Amino acid sequence: GENVEQHPSTLSVQEGDSAVIKCTYSDSASNYFPWYKQELGKRPQLIIDIRSNVGEKKDQRIAVTLNKTAKHFSLHITETQPEDSAVYFCAASTGNQFYFGTGTSLTVIP
Amino acid sequence: ETGVTQTPRHLVMGMTNKKSLKCEQHLGHNAMYWYKQSAKKPLELMFVYSLEERVENNSVPSRFSPECPNSSHLFLHLHTLQPEDSALYLCASSQQTGLHEQFFGPGTRLTVL
Repeated sequence: GENVEQHPSTLSVQEGDSAVIKCTYSDSASNYFPWYKQELGKRPQLIIDIRSNVGEKKDQRIAVTLNKTAKHFSLHITETQPEDSAVYFCAASTGNQFYFGTGTSLTVIP
Repeated sequence: ETGVTQTPRHLVMGMTNKKSLKCEQHLGHNAMYWYKQSAKKPLELMFVYSLEERVENNSVPSRFSPECPNSSHLFLHLHTLQPEDSALYLCASSQQTGLHEQFFGPGTRLTVL
């Protein structure tokens, strides 16, 4: 089955700096890669996703890049703000199956 | 209430009890999911339903029994659980299975004594 690895597990950045979270996957059949944000005590919410026919996608301060050859994808958050503090999960999907990473706890220091 | 709702929000049960978790989605979606979220572990997909038909069962112990009577409701029946089953159980829905955003419910915090 699919194996998704996510790094780092914790990340602290100064407000205004950029944050990068990286994930790797093992199944070349995976074709959908969503990123979810989960604030403390709240439900996960999708922040951005990318399909395997696209190499990069951007939405305001958030961007995701995908390298299918190397089987890795990354989340980039620019101009971080305190409200970006949360746990971020990457996932890889082959269709009905979703495999999540272990999460990255991001802290933005004011 | 809009979106995906789950009841109860908290549940404490003994190992010999039988209980059920309920999930309801008000989004008109055709796919529903059960996930288990444990500390320091990735979200684990347990079951996937598409139009009330189970399409995935990821080697989940039989003490967890899902039921999907219609596309808006999903249940997880619990029987003779173990303490290691204590976790946050999240329900989610999406328009279809596959390359679609999943909308999560608030979860049920389950504690097995």
